[in-house]
Amino acid sequence: EAQVTQNPRYLITVTGKKLTVTCSQNMNHEYMSWYRQDPGLGLRQIYYSMNVEVTDKGDVPEGYKVSRKEKRNFPLILESPSPNQTSLYFCASSPSTGTETQYFGPGTRLLVL
Amino acid sequence: QKEVEQDPGPLSVPEGAIVSLNCTYSNSAFQYFMWYRQYSRKGPELLMYTYSSGNKEDGRFTAQVDKSSKYISLFIRDSQPSDSATYLCAMYGGTSYGKLTFGQGTILTVHP
Repeated sequence: EAQVTQNPRYLITVTGKKLTVTCSQNMNHEYMSWYRQDPGLGLRQIYYSMNVEVTDKGDVPEGYKVSRKEKRNFPLILESPSPNQTSLYFCASSPSTGTETQYFGPGTRLLVL
Repeated sequence: QKEVEQDPGPLSVPEGAIVSLNCTYSNSAFQYFMWYRQYSRKGPELLMYTYSSGNKEDGRFTAQVDKSSKYISLFIRDSQPSDSATYLCAMYGGTSYGKLTFGQGTILTVHP
């Protein structure tokens, strides 16, 4: 089944404790992206990647890191999480440039205490 | 001012009503316009996709783009309880390849 998977789905952590949210797609898509969703603010793009080893900042990249070493994986790293990073995170992938349909993962709900 | 503005609602309508969802935007470089639907506790899924100005129809759904007014709409005819979801507009264009900008989302409830 074609899909985007994220792990973990739920995570509670404390301020300053490094964490990684994994994202994997099995559709051989070139484009992948991370978003956060907050009430009243909608979906905001954090980082995106047009291909392996190619990443770029979205609208809210501060406090996040990404890497794209393999086509299928695009992990999101929070080196020192803070409470304002409490949010619902979505990973998405798309065949080439992101202007086509983006396929979203199920979301990761993160709480930073 | 946000690049894309969308009335968050919530919007509550009876079954069978015509629903109109709207977004305005400020960036004249936007050329690709999309509507995503998001059910509770799920990721968004693409509903409609249009390029530049004009109308596009798909079953009960019609997407309209008016680039001169920087205004896009999604119409849902004969709305059903299964249409209850959050609807997000999204836009792309200009020189920032890969950067997609979303509206805040409108929460829609269709009651029987």
